[in-house]
Amino acid sequence: DAMVIQNPRYQVTQFGKPVTLSCSQTLNHNVMYWYQQKSSQAPKLLFHYYDKDFNNEADTPDNFQSRRPNTSFCFLDIRSPGLGDAAMYLCATSLHTSSEQFFGPGTRLTVL
Amino acid sequence: ELKVEQNPLFLSMQEGKNYTIYCNYSTTSDRLYWYRQDPGKSLESLFVLLSNGAVKQEGRLMASLDTKARLSTLHITAAVHDLSATYFCAVDMRGNKLVFGAGTILRVKS
Repeated sequence: DAMVIQNPRYQVTQFGKPVTLSCSQTLNHNVMYWYQQKSSQAPKLLFHYYDKDFNNEADTPDNFQSRRPNTSFCFLDIRSPGLGDAAMYLCATSLHTSSEQFFGPGTRLTVL
Repeated sequence: ELKVEQNPLFLSMQEGKNYTIYCNYSTTSDRLYWYRQDPGKSLESLFVLLSNGAVKQEGRLMASLDTKARLSTLHITAAVHDLSATYFCAVDMRGNKLVFGAGTILRVKS
């Protein structure tokens, strides 16, 4: 089945220790997104890639970076996680601009 | 800046009752999505509404879109416990961006 996969599902890191979250897709979609969802809040878009073109949201902290080495994979790097970065991180994909987005299962990040 | 408002934010209802969740948005858009989220889980797509007057139904849920009023509704008919979840509407803001409402926590009591 075509799908969006996120690894790991649960990640525990220490304050200030870099962490990388992974997203892969078998849908062959052009667009990949990263959202942050804190407890009891709506998902918030951090950035997205359209093919290799990176689009950062204006209010995304510099602490968050992303890489998309190929169509199938996209990574979220948090350079120095703070306690406030504990959240569910959701990856989504869509075929084209304004197409329906398909969400992965999410990675829950805990920062100690 | 596009703003999306959902109400109510919390809804406790008895099984068998009907209720409606409202989603208002502030600027023109003709694409709106409804998602369901169970605790600790990701978003599950419920409905994609692509034009004015669109109405879609799946089981006990029915969603509609009025682009002129900038309003979407999610109607629940004869609620059952399994519908307990958080429901989000999300509006497509041109440029690949979805703007989400705050979510409605639905609890259906036996």
